[in-house]
Amino acid sequence: DAKTTQPPSMDCAEGRAANLPCNHSTISGNEYVYWYRQIHSQGPQYIIHGLKNNETNEMASLIITEDRKSSTLILPHATLRDTAVYYCIVIGGSSNTGKLIFGQGTTLQVKP
Amino acid sequence: ETGVTQSPTHLIKTRGQQVTLRCSSQSGHNTVSWYQQALGQGPQFIFQYYREEENGRGNFPPRFSGLQFPNYSSELNVNALELDDSALYLCASRPTKTTGELFFGEGSRLTVL
Repeated sequence: DAKTTQPPSMDCAEGRAANLPCNHSTISGNEYVYWYRQIHSQGPQYIIHGLKNNETNEMASLIITEDRKSSTLILPHATLRDTAVYYCIVIGGSSNTGKLIFGQGTTLQVKP
Repeated sequence: ETGVTQSPTHLIKTRGQQVTLRCSSQSGHNTVSWYQQALGQGPQFIFQYYREEENGRGNFPPRFSGLQFPNYSSELNVNALELDDSALYLCASRPTKTTGELFFGEGSRLTVL
């Protein structure tokens, strides 16, 4: 079972920030939070990951709460091409086999 | 473009047949994993190969098997196909066997009739 909980769907207006939440209340101290997205009929694409500090790259920002029980992926200026299913995944720790456990994800619809 | 290529992109088989799917990993990546994605679901881990050895397996029966070659390319074989095997099969490579950053191919869409 996935270790994360995400809302099934969200809408966002084009040009606005999209904030996608994820709950991972059972995360352990050495587990990372990874985000992937999957555009229709394509393979998943890595976006960003973090341990406890906030992270930013050219695609997105990742905000992790101080207790690490939840996080938010931020797409600062959403475009129509950002319409996709977004997956939040927890991975790492002492039993890390590198296997990713995908949940149902959040379907983000960016509207003009 | 991730540098991971899969073939074929689409194929149709009948129940009971066997299928082989192929994956060429990104240059320098020694670890390949396979995922099955049914319609409307998230990808499910099948197994992972590291330097030609299987080093992790999900909840899939033995009729799902694989190989990794010295050049790190990989095959997924499924015997005795069932209707529920209809899915998108995704291959992903990574530079080490534990990093969470995977590079996925576009997948092979299998339809079993």
